[in-house]
Amino acid sequence: DAMVIQNPRYQVTQFGKPVTLSCSQTLNHNVMYWYQQKSSQAPKLLFHYYDKDFNNEADTPDNFQSRRPNTSFCFLDIRSPGLGDAAMYLCATSIYPGLRTDTQYFGPGTRLTVL
Amino acid sequence: DQQVKQNSPSLSVQEGRISILNCDYTNSMFDYFLWYKKYPAEGPTFLISISSIKDKNEDGRFTVFLNKSAKHLSLHIVPSQPGDSAVYFCAASEESGGSNYKLTFGKGTLLTVNP
Repeated sequence: DAMVIQNPRYQVTQFGKPVTLSCSQTLNHNVMYWYQQKSSQAPKLLFHYYDKDFNNEADTPDNFQSRRPNTSFCFLDIRSPGLGDAAMYLCATSIYPGLRTDTQYFGPGTRLTVL
Repeated sequence: DQQVKQNSPSLSVQEGRISILNCDYTNSMFDYFLWYKKYPAEGPTFLISISSIKDKNEDGRFTVFLNKSAKHLSLHIVPSQPGDSAVYFCAASEESGGSNYKLTFGKGTLLTVNP
């Protein structure tokens, strides 16, 4: 089945130690998104890639970076995680951001713990 | 500042009865609204959507109503089934920076359908 896969499902890191979260998709979608969801909060868009075109949200901290080496993979890099970065990180894909009816397909998320 | 608000963190209903989940928004630029459903350990999945040019959209047991003047939408599930127990996220979109559309989510409502 075509899907969005996130690895690992659970990630523990130390304060200040760089960490990378991975997302892959078999849907061949053009757009890949990264959301941050803190406990009991709404998912919040960090950035997205439309093909190789990177689109950062204005309020995403510089501590968060992303890479998309090819259509299938997208990485979220947190350069110096703080305690406030502990959250569920959701990856999503969509075919084309310009379609009003375009659905986003989500992975199961990676829960990040910062010690 | 929450632009999409789901003021009920949880809702409990009996199997067979109607479930009504509510959502309010503050941004008048939102013109497309979606509901996502999320089971534990899974990512959100798209459920139903509505454009601002409509006031109702129906898909099987699920109906979404939109009241633009009140900036309010609701999701009705009739009849409710135990398998509907999940977190329901309301989301809204607006054109953002050209042809890219961004989803703004609410915090979600946990629906429990009791047998």
